[in-house]
Amino acid sequence: EVQLVESGGGLVQPGGSLRLSCAASGFNFADFAMHWVRQAPGRGLEWVSGITYHSGTKDYADSVRGRFTISRENAQNILFLEMNALTPDDTAVYYCAKTYWEWVDGFLDYWGQGVRVTVSS
Amino acid sequence: DVQMTQSPSSLSASVGDRVTISCRASQSIVDYVAWYQQTAGKVPKLLIQGASTLQSGVPSRFSGSGAGTDFTLTISNLQPEDAGTYFCQHYKSAPLAFGGGTKVYIK
Repeated sequence: EVQLVESGGGLVQPGGSLRLSCAASGFNFADFAMHWVRQAPGRGLEWVSGITYHSGTKDYADSVRGRFTISRENAQNILFLEMNALTPDDTAVYYCAKTYWEWVDGFLDYWGQGVRVTVSS
Repeated sequence: DVQMTQSPSSLSASVGDRVTISCRASQSIVDYVAWYQQTAGKVPKLLIQGASTLQSGVPSRFSGSGAGTDFTLTISNLQPEDAGTYFCQHYKSAPLAFGGGTKVYIK
């Protein structure tokens, strides 16, 4: 059974940093691209970032480019999102999601339960 | 970058009704569209990919159609458990993008 479990969320002050993790199991993690998608309170889904299976390509939404960094450790089946220079607009539930193949341009067939990030003073 | 415009933003329908949700892409995305369902407090669930391919386990009352720039999700014979928000997503190329969502209420 595919499982994606996010961690690392919490309350952080504006300008602060946070590192999210997503532990994957139930599939061969190294064979699939992975993504982060967020959802602000009462709002829709916003794609944040994606990474290919071998980390060769990393893509970002304009809203986070230059502040967020996606990475993965295939040996440990973990996906990361390093978030810097956080603003209140980054407040959201962050979902880790698996793509159906190796490349970033794919649909998302499995999602984690999400982790809440709140940016506030 | 491809933008996805979804309509309507909300709708209300009765059990047994046929419901259609539209999604328009800002440029041709062939058939690289997926549809997701998010029920209250839950994680998004993939319903349809490739514009019309139903995911395993998804009830057959859900169907998708379209190509190019215009896509439709249809729910035939609406059921109470179908209440929630539906999102389209393109995956033609990065950056990926979602539509704004359609909230479906059951009368």
